[in-house]
Amino acid sequence: NAGVTQTPKFRILKIGQSMTLQCTQDMNHNYMYWYRQDPGMGLKLIYYSVGAGITDKGEVPNGYNVSRSTTEDFPLRLELAAPSQTSVYFCASNKLGQGASRNTEAFFGQGTRLTVV
Amino acid sequence: GIQVEQSPPDLILQEGANSTLRCNFSDSVNNLQWFHQNPWGQLINLFYIPSGTKQNGRLSATTVATERYSLLYISSSQTTDSGVYFCAVGATGANSKLTFGKGITLSVRP
Repeated sequence: NAGVTQTPKFRILKIGQSMTLQCTQDMNHNYMYWYRQDPGMGLKLIYYSVGAGITDKGEVPNGYNVSRSTTEDFPLRLELAAPSQTSVYFCASNKLGQGASRNTEAFFGQGTRLTVV
Repeated sequence: GIQVEQSPPDLILQEGANSTLRCNFSDSVNNLQWFHQNPWGQLINLFYIPSGTKQNGRLSATTVATERYSLLYISSSQTTDSGVYFCAVGATGANSKLTFGKGITLSVRP
């Protein structure tokens, strides 16, 4: 059972370059998320998706774009990379809950460590 | 948005000691998770505990949602328990998004 898989694990980008961080999950989860973690800090939400074709901004969306064409995949695109985007990026997913508690346990990928120089 | 505060920010223990980590949150929640981030950066799910008490080996957790706090207990600590412990909450009606605290850095010395 693979869970949430992120690629690549490490990447070095030059300022102004672009790249796509890949995330796929095999648990048929509705919800998917991208977080970033800066040194010594907790995780901050970049973008999230409640299902295929639906995405929305989180707390720190500037400089990023996402798409959700399938239930399984939620790629994060960085355009014109900047040093401020040096961070560790985590993808996560969970399923829609039932009844009064619509939140369920979230599972995280292993992270992508990105350095912009 | 909802605020999450964890305390203490840093904790140093001798192997074998017990500890309590605290998470306070500012609004009602229907999701609360504890994670351990190991030295390799992986986030390990410890507990999904929006309310009540759970135990898993030497670790246990309690969430008192009405009083807006959760506690993580580590008993007979081991060096492998070292790392950062995060509490993350999902506010009621907030569409499943998790908000993280800043984490508690635990160092267990042999």
